[in-house]
Amino acid sequence: EAEVAQSPRYKITEKSQAVAFWCDPISGHATLYWYRQILGQGPELLVQFQDESVVDDSQLPKDRFSAERLKGVDSTLKIQPAELGDSAMYLCASSLQDYGYTFGSGTRLTVV
Amino acid sequence: KQEVTQIPAALSVPEGENLVLNCSFTDSAIYNLQWFRQDPGKGLTSLLLIQSSQREQTSGRLNASLDKSSGRSTLYIAASQPGDSATYLCAVSTDKLIFGTGTRLQVFP
Repeated sequence: EAEVAQSPRYKITEKSQAVAFWCDPISGHATLYWYRQILGQGPELLVQFQDESVVDDSQLPKDRFSAERLKGVDSTLKIQPAELGDSAMYLCASSLQDYGYTFGSGTRLTVV
Repeated sequence: KQEVTQIPAALSVPEGENLVLNCSFTDSAIYNLQWFRQDPGKGLTSLLLIQSSQREQTSGRLNASLDKSSGRSTLYIAASQPGDSATYLCAVSTDKLIFGTGTRLQVFP
């Protein structure tokens, strides 16, 4: 079964450092999403791509977060500088029209 | 603004019980509704997808229903097992996927 690949699985970084996460969606899925999930809460959308274009980044803290999907395939989410409040699970998902969303295993970020 | 609510927030039951998890949403203009399972520290696993034109979907011991007009969905788990212990999330799809806060289920032997 096709999967959404994410790396790393876990990341510990010091406050003010830069950190990056990678996502490879299911082949052929034009839409890619990055979600952030704080412990005990549901995931919240950070950014949505359609191919290489950003469709929605209204909830992305643009002063420190950036996301790109240069060739419309894999994507990178970056945080610089990281803050303690950024500690969370970062989830990537992809979808194909009305066939639902498929999520990756996520990256657990701890900022110390 | 679409809001999704899940009740109860937590549930602890003995093995073998039949369970109902509830999900409600405020705007009935949705494309579909999806139920996910999340184990601690893990990503989301899709359980069932109900298109807006459908009333229910079934997979094994799981059955999900959708009533768009009343803004409600239920996830029914038959004959619960300890392996069903996880957090269950419902999410509605409009131009984006909006999640509830989940129901944390514990099934004890």
